[in-house]
Amino acid sequence: AQSVTQLGSHVSVSEGALVLLRCNYSSSVPPYLFWYVQYPNQGLQLLLKYTSAATLVKGINGFEAEFKKSETSFHLTKPSAHMSDAAEYFCAVSDPATNAGKSTFGDGTTLTVKP
Amino acid sequence: KAGVTQTPRYLIKTRGQQVTLSCSPISGHRSVSWYQQTPGQGLQFLFEYFSETQRNKGNFPGRFSGRQFSNSRSEMNVSTLELGDSALYLCASSPGTAAGAQYFGPGTRLLVL
Repeated sequence: AQSVTQLGSHVSVSEGALVLLRCNYSSSVPPYLFWYVQYPNQGLQLLLKYTSAATLVKGINGFEAEFKKSETSFHLTKPSAHMSDAAEYFCAVSDPATNAGKSTFGDGTTLTVKP
Repeated sequence: KAGVTQTPRYLIKTRGQQVTLSCSPISGHRSVSWYQQTPGQGLQFLFEYFSETQRNKGNFPGRFSGRQFSNSRSEMNVSTLELGDSALYLCASSPGTAAGAQYFGPGTRLLVL
């Protein structure tokens, strides 16, 4: 079985500050990992994915995440927050053997950006 | 390419009724997955269809069912609706390969009264 834990259901940063959203996973096999963003009344948008290639993954809108096997973590970062980054962020894990069509999601982290 | 589309966007039903939701995936994508999103339970996987066959299934009762057509479009049906079925139902399409990420539609918001 796989699971994802997102530490901190709410994170607040000032505009221009570093964004750090934490994600730890549990998986019995080498996983595929994803970060998604959801704006109000919308579906989820893929930010980036890790599929066993480079451990540092760059995504859209200036976000990146680093896969650390020893820490079972896949934290999402952005050097400088923008007001438009305010949204809910989800970390997800899938088993490559059952493909990415079945993902297990974390509970989400709501990011607030203060002016 | 056009994104994932879901219809209808909003739906109000009463307990005991049934409902059918529709999802059109991105052109060329063969996998369609369905998720239920609620404030209390978060995002929960319902099932995945690939080439008209259910490939993965979550832990939902049999009242929840789905199907996929030859053009990859998918429908989800919920019979005998309960108040707890009120949720945002999200459809996601992907190429169907192991490394393929999912692309989500805007969702159908179902309210059961």
